[in-house]
Amino acid sequence: GAVVSQHPSWVICKSGTSVKIECRSLDFQATTMFWYRQFPKQSLMLMATSNEGSKATYEQGVEKDKFLINHASLTLSTLTVTSAHPEDSSFYICSARRFSNQPQHFGDGTRLSIL
Amino acid sequence: GQQLNQSPQSMFIQEGEDVSMNCTSSSIFNTWLWYKQDPGEGPVLLIALYKAGELTSNGRLTAQFGITRKDSFLNISASIPSDVGIYFCAGPTGTASKLTFGTGTRLQVTL
Repeated sequence: GAVVSQHPSWVICKSGTSVKIECRSLDFQATTMFWYRQFPKQSLMLMATSNEGSKATYEQGVEKDKFLINHASLTLSTLTVTSAHPEDSSFYICSARRFSNQPQHFGDGTRLSIL
Repeated sequence: GQQLNQSPQSMFIQEGEDVSMNCTSSSIFNTWLWYKQDPGEGPVLLIALYKAGELTSNGRLTAQFGITRKDSFLNISASIPSDVGIYFCAGPTGTASKLTFGTGTRLQVTL
């Protein structure tokens, strides 16, 4: 149980393109989903917290107009990287949690490469 | 913000050896989580600790919640090649129980 699916797993696109990443909880309803970014050989850094039906809460230093998050249902959250540039290239990972007292379950990540 | 420092940063061990790694914090945590990340994948939860002093096992893995609440330890016994990966400690913070991840310990196992 507690499977989280992330799509796509790999994206390569030109600078200036907007890229949408999906995160789905397959076998449970997630009241909260989280988006992380991980640069090579570094730890996971939280970008934003997303609760179903409300606006996402962004961490300090993360541009909300750059990284648009939508959490329209209890099983789906999307992250859109708008007008992506090479410095946005990274490994983006989502996680989902049923309730606040339960662990987060992670997707397999999306590797974004901007040329 | 809170920082979780893990040591060692990396380890190279032989198959069959036991492994020990730790995670320390500048502040108190009420929950400690240990995750493993394989290359190109998301982290997978290994062990969750909820009480100071708690010792919990999951197969060949054993983790302990430090009495001071500022540290945690993970041990792997009789390592095998599939133990290769990055091990992260993590702890929830704030009202939203956001996770803070440690700096990671990279484990390499040689035959």
